[in-house]
Amino acid sequence: EVQLVESGGGLVQPGGSLRLSCEASGFTFRRYWMSWVRQAPGKGLECVANIKEDGSEKNYVESVKGRFTISRDNAKNSLYLQMNSLRAEDTAMYYCARDDAGTLDSWGQGTLITVSS
Amino acid sequence: QSALTQPASVSGSPGQSITISCTGTSSDVGYYNLVSWYQQYPGKAPKLMIYDVTKRPSGISNRFSGSKSGNTASLTISGLQAEDEADYYCCSYAGSGTWVFGGGTKLTVL
Repeated sequence: EVQLVESGGGLVQPGGSLRLSCEASGFTFRRYWMSWVRQAPGKGLECVANIKEDGSEKNYVESVKGRFTISRDNAKNSLYLQMNSLRAEDTAMYYCARDDAGTLDSWGQGTLITVSS
Repeated sequence: QSALTQPASVSGSPGQSITISCTGTSSDVGYYNLVSWYQQYPGKAPKLMIYDVTKRPSGISNRFSGSKSGNTASLTISGLQAEDEADYYCCSYAGSGTWVFGGGTKLTVL
């Protein structure tokens, strides 16, 4: 069974930093693209960043470019999102998702980020 | 890229069929057969219901079906049940490793 477990969320002040982690199990992690998808309170879904199987290619939504960095450690079956210069508009539930041949087919339960003073 | 366009809400009575539309552009929905649909209950993670426009993952009821015509994809739920009441999101691959989601549709079972 595919399992994705996010951690690292919490309350942070504007301008602060957080590092999210996603621990994967139940599948061969190194064979899949992985994504971070967020959902602001009461809003829709937005793919924030994704990363190729070997980490050689990364994509970011425009609003986080230069502030967020996605990375992975295939030896630890883990995905990360380093979030710097956080803004109020980054407040959201952040989900880790597996990309299977063009479909985000498995999702974690999410970790909540609140950016507030 | 801009979000895909979905109706904010749809409703139907038990046993009826409803269809949720998802309109994109010739660069996403119209170009790729990589449209997926997600069901989300309040406070829960999204769940994949349809992928590759028409395919159902294992365990998903055949009451759920997907289609596409031009730049518009659709999700149809037949034999509506109370448990189908949830938010539904469409998603399309948009090239260059990017994805675009719809704004979501709240389904109410009357």
